[in-house]
Amino acid sequence: GNSVTQMEGPVTLSEEAFLTINCTYTATGYPSLFWYVQYPGEGLQLLLKATKADDKGSNKGFEATYRKETTSFHLEKGSVQVSDSAVYFCAVNRRGNEKLTFGTGTRLTIIP
Amino acid sequence: GAGVSQSPSNKVTEKGKDVELRCDPISGHTALYWYRQRLGQGLEFLIYFQGNSAPDKSGLPSDRFSAERTGESVSTLTIQRTQQEDSAVYLCASSFSGALYEAFFGQGTRLTVV
Repeated sequence: GNSVTQMEGPVTLSEEAFLTINCTYTATGYPSLFWYVQYPGEGLQLLLKATKADDKGSNKGFEATYRKETTSFHLEKGSVQVSDSAVYFCAVNRRGNEKLTFGTGTRLTIIP
Repeated sequence: GAGVSQSPSNKVTEKGKDVELRCDPISGHTALYWYRQRLGQGLEFLIYFQGNSAPDKSGLPSDRFSAERTGESVSTLTIQRTQQEDSAVYLCASSFSGALYEAFFGQGTRLTVV
């Protein structure tokens, strides 16, 4: 079945630092890849997605590129803000197998 | 509805009692998921519905857990003879069919077994 390996947390960065949260996946076929975010006290929401190789998903200054050759979907942001403090989940979904498989989540804290 | 609705939002129950959690998916969404999130932990898959059938219920932790769905609408997750280790936030999500579509999550039901 599908699996996702995500960077262990927690991650603490200073405001305006560069962020990378690593995510690699195992899936047969051609999966779709997602990043979800859970802000403190809120539900999970989609941050960005990519549905085919070399696609780049982007939202709120975050980006992730679907790399089939390295089976990766790393999340990046050039300059983080305090408001980015949240838990980030990478997820994979394979065509024909619609169950979303999540990574364990990475807790990010940004300090002013 | 406008989003995935879960009820109750909070439930405190005594050990050994049965509880029923409800999920109203977004209208038109044929896929529905239940996940569990323990405090400070990641997401634990429980069960997935496509319409009213459950092609994957591999995540249900024991036979005390069961779930059903009426058509492409409401789903209920039932936990019988609750135990303290069942305390968690139970999350429901729904989506259109097909792997291209993202899932939308409800706010969850926080279950506390005392």
